[in-house]
This record gives sequence, C-alpha cells and structure tokens, in this order.
Amino acid sequence: GAVVSQHPSRVICKSGTSVKIECRSLDFQATTMFWYRQFPKQSLMLMATSNEGSKATYEQGVEKDKFLINHASLTLSTLTVTSAHPEDSSFYICSASTSGGINEQFFGPGTRLTVL
Amino acid sequence: RKEVEQDPGPFNVPEGATVAFNCTYSNSASQSFFWYRQDCRKEPKLLMSVYSSGNEDGRFTAQLNRASQYISLLIRDSKLSDSATYLCGVKGTNAGKSTFGDGTTLTVKP
Repeated sequence: GAVVSQHPSRVICKSGTSVKIECRSLDFQATTMFWYRQFPKQSLMLMATSNEGSKATYEQGVEKDKFLINHASLTLSTLTVTSAHPEDSSFYICSASTSGGINEQFFGPGTRLTVL
Repeated sequence: RKEVEQDPGPFNVPEGATVAFNCTYSNSASQSFFWYRQDCRKEPKLLMSVYSSGNEDGRFTAQLNRASQYISLLIRDSKLSDSATYLCGVKGTNAGKSTFGDGTTLTVKP
C-alpha cells in the first residue's frame, strides 16, 4: 500500500508552546489529507480535511485558530497546535487517499503529543 | 445515533476459534467500505476493502449488506497475533472523508 510518514513521532512540550506536525505522502500525490485525534481507548476523531492549495475544512467543534493546517504541496500537510495545553495531549494521526476507484485511506504512524 | 457503529467487545476467544464482527452505517449513500486493524498505541492499518460481492483474503472474509446497511468481518482459525482493535471505515464519496466506528477489541488467548 501507499506510504505516509509523520514527524515527529513523539513530542513532549511545556504548556503554551506551539507544536508543528508534518505529514508526508512518500510515494504518491495526495490532494487531500485528513487529520485525526485519538484519545486513549477512544475512536479516531476527524479534526479537519486538508486540501492542497486551499483552506482546510474543519469538523464541528474544532478550533481552526488553534489547529492550523497548511497543505502547501501534493505531498506535505502540516498541523500546528498553537499554545498547546495539557488537554491537547493526544495521539494525532494523518491519513491520505490515493487517486483511483477504491480510495482507501492510508495512515501515518501518528504523533504522540504530551503537554506538561 | 452514530454514523458508524460497532460492538466494542471485547471479544475474548481461544486460538483457532472463528469470530465475526459487524458494523452498521446510517448513510445509505455510502460508497466505500473498509476494515482496519489498530494495534495498541499504533496507527490503523488497512486490513481489507469490502466489496459488494464479498471478498476473502486468507483467513479473513468481508461481507457487505447494502439493504441492511452493515458490513462484517469474519476471522477463521484465530491466531494470537490477531489480537487488536478492528475498525470499520465508511466513505461517502470516493474523494470524501471516511467515518470510523469506535472499534471492536479482539483478544485471542492460547
């Protein structure tokens, strides 16, 4: 299947700092990428849909000014958690779809964010 | 009602058992269906897509019932390594986002 990478894999930061997470599609071009958050023992929660060259579409209840998304190229989307607080501690996962009929999503390995 | 619902389990089965999971979806316009496997503290990985005619991959069989709006996953001859959380994913359009169930936890015991 297609390969999606994420960096960093783990971040520990102080409250109030901003954290940037990168998501890359390594062997395909992704016009659309998705950002999810998953708390322990809970389901994947879609935060936003990232569209190359245009503004991201945020899900209801997700603050767009706090979770900044930039999809500057067909292989890179970034999520910046601004002024992170302990309640933002979570597992952040991106995914991307290949073009074609099936369009299953391939997930990055995730970024575990801990805000102290 | 959630868009995609799964029995959370946990399912605890002995090695060699056959186990089946169901997943129901509410949007009748859904077009694509998938099963993912997620290990603890890891990302979901695609297990198999689900086709209208049903499909099989080794010990795994997936079925789609559009009339009743559910998909199923059957695992035969369970292995210890099958222990994981299984997520169903439903996509409305080919270019659209997927909605995931909360996952069903399977533990296969010796």
